[in-house]
Amino acid sequence: DAGVTQSPTHLIKTRGQHVTLRCSPISGHKSVSWYQQVLGQGPQFIFQYYEKEERGRGNFPDRFSARQFPNYSSELNVNALLLGDSALYLCASSSSGGSTYEQYFGPGTRLTVT
Amino acid sequence: DQQVKQNSPSLSVQEGRISILNCDYTNSMFDYFLWYKKYPAEGPTFLISISSIKDKNEDGRFTVFLNKSAKHLSLHIVPSQPGDSAVYFCAARDPGTYKYIFGTGTRLKVLA
Repeated sequence: DAGVTQSPTHLIKTRGQHVTLRCSPISGHKSVSWYQQVLGQGPQFIFQYYEKEERGRGNFPDRFSARQFPNYSSELNVNALLLGDSALYLCASSSSGGSTYEQYFGPGTRLTVT
Repeated sequence: DQQVKQNSPSLSVQEGRISILNCDYTNSMFDYFLWYKKYPAEGPTFLISISSIKDKNEDGRFTVFLNKSAKHLSLHIVPSQPGDSAVYFCAARDPGTYKYIFGTGTRLKVLA
């Protein structure tokens, strides 16, 4: 089975622009979470979606938004990009069923804002 | 506030010996804990997890111990191998907000 996939792999944008990052979860997984990771830090939680509904939101400004589609894939949108948004953006999927809560990560999208 | 802390930024261990990575947390409501391994330019890879109702979980060379009274968990790798060299993150799940909160990571280097 394919793991979590993300696109694009790398992206360079200019301050003030908008960006859309995409994620396809593991087949059968209904939950997708987004994280931002900057150098030297652990992943910081941005959003979690389950069955197309937002279930959790981290401490990120309203410039960050996301959505989940009927096929459980997801998009993360960031408006009015700032230099500080440069980071590795990670998507993780989980089945969110049963008694285990493992999340499986994709390879990430490296965003550079200039 | 840092709810999940990994106080050792780095650790070096000889091949074949035990590696012990530590993690402390502050929120007693966390219900699930996970360990991930991360290589450069890759996403974190899930290693092992433990529910808050257990105190030990084992999977091959990896064992996670949870001490709820001390709000402390540890990952033991026995025996350590050079391929284990990576950054290790612990994470905790907050059941109230569905957030997974990560520590800052410990860089493990296994020396051949």
